[in-house]
Amino acid sequence: DTAVSQTPKYLVTQMGNDKSIKCEQNLGHDTMYWYKQDSKKFLKIMFSYNNKELIINETVPNRFSPKSPDKAHLNLHINSLELGDSAVYFCASSPRALLGDTEAFFGQGTRLTVV
Amino acid sequence: SQQGEEDPQALSIQEGENATMNCSYKTSINNLQWYRQNSGRGLVHLILIRSNEREKHSGRLRVTLDTSKKSSSLLITASRAADTASYFCATDAGWNRDDKIIFGKGTRLHILP
Repeated sequence: DTAVSQTPKYLVTQMGNDKSIKCEQNLGHDTMYWYKQDSKKFLKIMFSYNNKELIINETVPNRFSPKSPDKAHLNLHINSLELGDSAVYFCASSPRALLGDTEAFFGQGTRLTVV
Repeated sequence: SQQGEEDPQALSIQEGENATMNCSYKTSINNLQWYRQNSGRGLVHLILIRSNEREKHSGRLRVTLDTSKKSSSLLITASRAADTASYFCATDAGWNRDDKIIFGKGTRLHILP
């Protein structure tokens, strides 16, 4: 059983399109995250949700909108895709929101390529 | 803003040798973590060390923390081909900011057969 699963694994799309990435965790965790990893492997947090409530929103363009229908799911919708959005997006979860004090579990990533 | 910075950026060693990676950070922390990322995969948590700890072991992994120098090291002993991966340190964002962690850019470790 995959603990944190995200779909799709690969996504190639044209500039200007709108796309979504889905994430589900079956660990019973309260907190979920979206991270972006750029071509230089730099991993940066985008959003975090605790029990469906947004708790971190890091200076991300408002074209990115996370949605958490329940605490096991955190989806990421991106409007008007730009070339610079090309990256690998990782979903993660943790038992509690104090991520500095607990282990995060990551999905396998979604490689988004905008052409 | 980036907190941790790993050194070296890349490391190649022979199988069986020990691999040491370092991480330096800028502001005071509560905890520091190390993660591994295999090519094309997500990150896997390796070890968490608290600011009041100096050393921690997990299997072939040994992590040290020197808060006076704001640095940590990850030692992998008796390396194996399966250890080939990128290794990231992650720190919380400082006092009263345990709610997120900041990753460094990672060390790419390549174990040669």
